Amino acid sequence: AQKVTQAQTEISVVEKEDVTLDCVYETRDTTYYLFWYKQPPSGELVFLIRRNSFDEQNEISGRYSWNFQKSTSSFNFTITASQVVDSAVYFCALSPTSGTYKYIFGTGTRLKVLA
Amino acid sequence: NAGVTQTPKFRILKIGQSMTLQCTQDMNHNYMYWYRQDPGMGLKLIYYSVGAGITDKGEVPNGYNVSRSTTEDFPLRLELAAPSQTSVYFCASSYSSLAGGSEQFFGPGTRLTVL
Repeated sequence: AQKVTQAQTEISVVEKEDVTLDCVYETRDTTYYLFWYKQPPSGELVFLIRRNSFDEQNEISGRYSWNFQKSTSSFNFTITASQVVDSAVYFCALSPTSGTYKYIFGTGTRLKVLA
Repeated sequence: NAGVTQTPKFRILKIGQSMTLQCTQDMNHNYMYWYRQDPGMGLKLIYYSVGAGITDKGEVPNGYNVSRSTTEDFPLRLELAAPSQTSVYFCASSYSSLAGGSEQFFGPGTRLTVL
């Protein structure tokens, strides 16, 4: 069975603090993709990153960074120096690399960044 | 490119009424998906399509039907609306290749209330 767990339902931080959103996944597939999406209060889903299971290099994009550890089946997302505009629900998702490419979504983590 | 468009943005239905949620993408993606997002929850897959003329059930297909007569369009039909179908509905599309699936591109969502 495939599963994505985002154990943190809601996190509140003060602006400029760093925050890490956890994502733990389960799959029997040897190859797969992991994703992060952002859902701001306006409601749309914004793609942030895709990571292939063969690529365990960490990635940094501005204030965002992602830590993929296959050994612990985790794909955590860190926001450095958080800003109010980072307030959103963040979803982690898992997809196989073949077949129907169906996503398995986590339940999301609501991040509130307070000014 | 408009990306993925959905109509209507909002709709209120009475119990037992039917309606069709429209979804169109202009990216020539072969894969299309319908999700529902209940308040405070993640996304659940209703139906998906891997190409024109091919559709299949997701996690929560009961009460819904789909068709895919063209690459661009993937309408979702609600028959005999029930209060349990009150949700936000998202349409998404993605492409696939021998290298694997891509990220999914989401429409803006349709907020449906059944009273």
